[in-house]
Amino acid sequence: EVQLVESGGGLIQPGGSLRLSCAASGFTFSSYWMHWVRQVPGKGLVWVSRIYNDGSSTSYADSVRGRFTVSRDNAKNTLYLQMNSLRAEDTAVYYCARELQLVGATSQTDAFDMWGQGTMVTVSS
Amino acid sequence: QSALTQPASVSGSPGQSITISCTGTSSDVGRYNLVSWYQQLPGKAPKLMIYEGSKRPSGVSNRFSGSKSGNTASLTISGLQAEDEADYYCCSYAGSRTLVFGGGTKLTVL
Repeated sequence: EVQLVESGGGLIQPGGSLRLSCAASGFTFSSYWMHWVRQVPGKGLVWVSRIYNDGSSTSYADSVRGRFTVSRDNAKNTLYLQMNSLRAEDTAVYYCARELQLVGATSQTDAFDMWGQGTMVTVSS
Repeated sequence: QSALTQPASVSGSPGQSITISCTGTSSDVGRYNLVSWYQQLPGKAPKLMIYEGSKRPSGVSNRFSGSKSGNTASLTISGLQAEDEADYYCCSYAGSRTLVFGGGTKLTVL
């Protein structure tokens, strides 16, 4: 089955660290750029980070740059998000998402054609 | 990285057409043809409806269409159906390898 499954969320105190994982299956994970997107329950979607298929390039939203690190292990078909110096405003559901890849093309599409079910991160004392 | 501007809510009756706007700037929506649209049902992950401004992924109804004029992208849903009731989000490339979403629009089918 083609799917993305996030894990690692939970309750963490402000200033703490957490690592999220996203396990991919049913497709060639190493061929796809991957993203993290977050959503405060009842609020809108916010893009967090992107990583190229080979891990050679990463990018971040201003709100998390310097605190979050995206990485991947293509041998394990797994995407990660290391979150440090967590703040209350980081509380959200975190989704991993696959970037749409057009047949015969290598350029970015900046569209997400597959999403995980999300994992909740709560930053609170 | 300011969020794109969408109306908080739109509504329409079954069979009608509605349009959701997504306004950005000349640095994002206006500069790149990389706007995508997502439908999110309550408690579910978003679903891709439109990419590259006007292209539909396989399996998405042709009642959904996208367009752009200047700094504003639009999603039009024709022949509105009860099952279209959901939250809709736009997203655009914003340069420097970053992306930005709109605030979301709640569609109510009357």
